[in-house]
Amino acid sequence: GAGVSQSPSNKVTEKGKDVELRCDPISGHTALYWYRQRLGQGLEFLIYFQGNSAPDKSGLPSDRFSAERTGESVSTLTIQRTQQEDSAVYLCASSLGGDLLTQYFGPGTRLLVL
Amino acid sequence: GEDVEQSLFLSVREGDSSVINCTYTDSSSTYLYWYKQEPGAGLQLLTYIFSNMDMKQDQRLTVLLNKKDKHLSLRIADTQTGDSAIYFCAEMADYKLSFGAGTTVTVRA
Repeated sequence: GAGVSQSPSNKVTEKGKDVELRCDPISGHTALYWYRQRLGQGLEFLIYFQGNSAPDKSGLPSDRFSAERTGESVSTLTIQRTQQEDSAVYLCASSLGGDLLTQYFGPGTRLLVL
Repeated sequence: GEDVEQSLFLSVREGDSSVINCTYTDSSSTYLYWYKQEPGAGLQLLTYIFSNMDMKQDQRLTVLLNKKDKHLSLRIADTQTGDSAIYFCAEMADYKLSFGAGTTVTVRA
């Protein structure tokens, strides 16, 4: 597609349930990033993929968070046993490569954990 | 670690210039960015500047970088109502972007 797409756009879930968030990067972009944006705050880096590998998972808040990428394309961010503090907008970005190149963002998935 | 700070709010009259300021701490930053976020929309890249530049102009946007003071600013000339949004300053070191909390710009008639 023309830009980064994410689904679902909104997700409401109950505390304790698992959720999966999907990101489709711009075609040909080898690097993919996940960020989290809490209400009224800037973005926090979660994880970075170069191809299908994740050299940096340092931003994942806990072991309840995991992400994978297949085919150097789609990525899924999974949050297990969701907690209320997981409520945020989850943004995906992609870039042609890793270092030094501009990241283009998707519209985000707004997650609300009740 | 990286720490990017910006003022939270700016109110400006339509037609005036807006100046949004940002400070950052990581001296190894290679690129610095300004993103715009409108309500319900994703982050839109407005402009960026490489760390060895001190100014970049792009139509109504002027970015100034003072690397010694680690200070970045975005000037929007002839501000319009469509410029109302949250503006995020971000620095890139390695491959990671570190963002400020965002400046909410309100344009009043």
